[in-house]
This record gives sequence, structure tokens and C-alpha cells, in this order.
Amino acid sequence: GESVGLHLPTLSVQEGDNSIINCAYSNSASDYFIWYKQESGKGPQFIIDIRSNMDKRQGQRVTVLLNKTVKHLSLQIAATQPGDSAVYFCAENMSGSARQLTFGSGTQLTVLP
Amino acid sequence: KAGVTQTPRYLIKTRGQQVTLSCSPISGHRSVSWYQQTPGQGLQFLFEYFSETQRNKGNFPGRFSGRQFSNSRSEMNVSTLELGDSALYLCASSENSGSSYEQYFGPGTRLTVT
Repeated sequence: GESVGLHLPTLSVQEGDNSIINCAYSNSASDYFIWYKQESGKGPQFIIDIRSNMDKRQGQRVTVLLNKTVKHLSLQIAATQPGDSAVYFCAENMSGSARQLTFGSGTQLTVLP
Repeated sequence: KAGVTQTPRYLIKTRGQQVTLSCSPISGHRSVSWYQQTPGQGLQFLFEYFSETQRNKGNFPGRFSGRQFSNSRSEMNVSTLELGDSALYLCASSENSGSSYEQYFGPGTRLTVT
């Protein structure tokens, strides 16, 4: 969930290493989760999503893990590249008719050469 | 398909003025949501429109309003601007089919209130 007076967690990784970004979500009733990437001056870009009936989903170089017991999401990026440097947000949504995302505070990923 | 477009990209206004921001969703997308992004509060949901009706609303004062047109394009309006309204305003569109919850964001409108 959100917090007042955000301090953005940071993660620095070497190019070619794997990255793991973590997120704690707030609502146990949420059943749809998304990871977004936001580069400076741009809007959030969809990376991968997962529904609550799954605990793992893989995309191209990315994997999302969901642990509903402790309300925890993680995003794993394989072979991190300089272009992966950005702020990463997790977001949650309850199913039903409305599209209302609740965002986490974000993590700044920096890829070192 | 073209992505979500937002106009204008940058805007400078004075306290007390009002502003209207525009969003054109991805073709075929019928749901449009608005978010405010600030360094202090992060990304916060403002409201969502579907079929020209506000379907959901976040915790913002009544100075923030919006509407959606029959072609799914949406506008948001902020009246009596305050310094704290300075933010990046993001629009996101979604198909709103039964199983699709993916929201795609535009580049945002950077509003500065002086």
C-alpha cells in the first residue's frame, strides 16, 4: 500500500546478474497483480501480471512470484540489462467491474556496467 | 495500435485557475482511469470511466472531476488549483472485457501550479 513521505527503495545490480524486486501488497481481497516499469519522463509500462489463483508466472526474462499467505509479490529479471534501469511498481486490483489499481511505492533499479 | 495519448504534455497554471486535461485511449478500449503521481504520495487513483459513466472514484476532493465521451476519450478537470495539485497526471485505458484487467498508461501531463 501507499505511505506518506515516500522514500524510494533502491536496488543496484551488475549488468548480466539477476534482479529481484520485492513488494508487499495491502489488501487480502486483491486478486489481480501487475508489475509496471517507469522510466524517467514516461508513463508506467506494463511488464507482467498474475492472478491470485497462480503463484508463479513467467514472461520474457521476467518472472513474477505471488505469496498470498504473507501478501508478497516479487519480480525477477534475468540477465539484467542497462535498459532495465527504471522505477518498478507493483499494483493490485480487486476483480469485479472496476479498474482501480493501488500502487506500491516503487523500487529504483540501477544497472551498473 | 496507437498507444494512449494525453494532451497537453506540460502545463503551467496559477493558483485559483482551473485546468482540463485530455486522454485518448487505445482503440477499442472502453475503460479510462486517471491517476495522480507525486513524489510524496506516489501513484494514486483518481477515478475511472466506462461507457461515459464514472464507475469508481478515489479519495480526492470534489475539485477533481472528469467525464468520458461516446468515443471513449476522456477529460479531467481540476478547479481552483492549489500548489499541491502540481503532479504528473496519468491516464490509463483498459479493454474491460471479462478477463482483461490490464491497464495501459499514457505518457502523462505534467502540471505545475505556481
